[in-house]
Amino acid sequence: GENVEQHPSTLSVQEGDSAVIKCTYSDSASNYFPWYKQELGKRPQLIIDIRSNVGEKKDQRIAVTLNKTAKHFSLHITETQPEDSAVYFCAAPHSGSARQLTFGSGTQLTVLP
Amino acid sequence: DTAVSQTPKYLVTQMGNDKSIKCEQNLGHDTMYWYKQDSKKFLKIMFSYNNKELIINETVPNRFSPKSPDKAHLNLHINSLELGDSAVYFCASSQGPSGGYTFGSGTRLTVV
Repeated sequence: GENVEQHPSTLSVQEGDSAVIKCTYSDSASNYFPWYKQELGKRPQLIIDIRSNVGEKKDQRIAVTLNKTAKHFSLHITETQPEDSAVYFCAAPHSGSARQLTFGSGTQLTVLP
Repeated sequence: DTAVSQTPKYLVTQMGNDKSIKCEQNLGHDTMYWYKQDSKKFLKIMFSYNNKELIINETVPNRFSPKSPDKAHLNLHINSLELGDSAVYFCASSQGPSGGYTFGSGTRLTVV
């Protein structure tokens, strides 16, 4: 099945700095790459996604980049704020079923005031 | 209006018991899922189901079974609960292949 690796597992940044989280995937047929944010005690929520026909997508302070050749994609958060503190998960379609997502192991982002 | 709702939110039960968790979505999505999130926050797919296809992840014990009375509901039944089943279980739904998920609020299951 799809193998999704996510780094780093923890990330601390000063408020206002940028944060970057990286993921790699194994199935070259994968074509959809979402990112989810999970605040403490809450449900994961979709914050941005990218499909394989584009290399970059932006939504205000967050952006996702995709390198299909290298099979990796990254989440970029600029001008970080304390409310960005959460666990972030990348995901890719599970091999054999485009409907199932395999999630990365998560990154605990802490934004220090 | 809650898009994906799960009940109960908390469930504490003894080893060996049988329990169910209910999930309902009002988004009109065609596919529903169950994920298990362990203490290290790993999110692991258990099942996906639409009206044509049930896909069971190969690592899920057969003590776990999904039941879908209609396309808006996917309940999770667990037989002979074990200590290792303690986790947060999330229901989710999506529309079409490669659609973004909407998650429920989770059910924290504690087996004692």
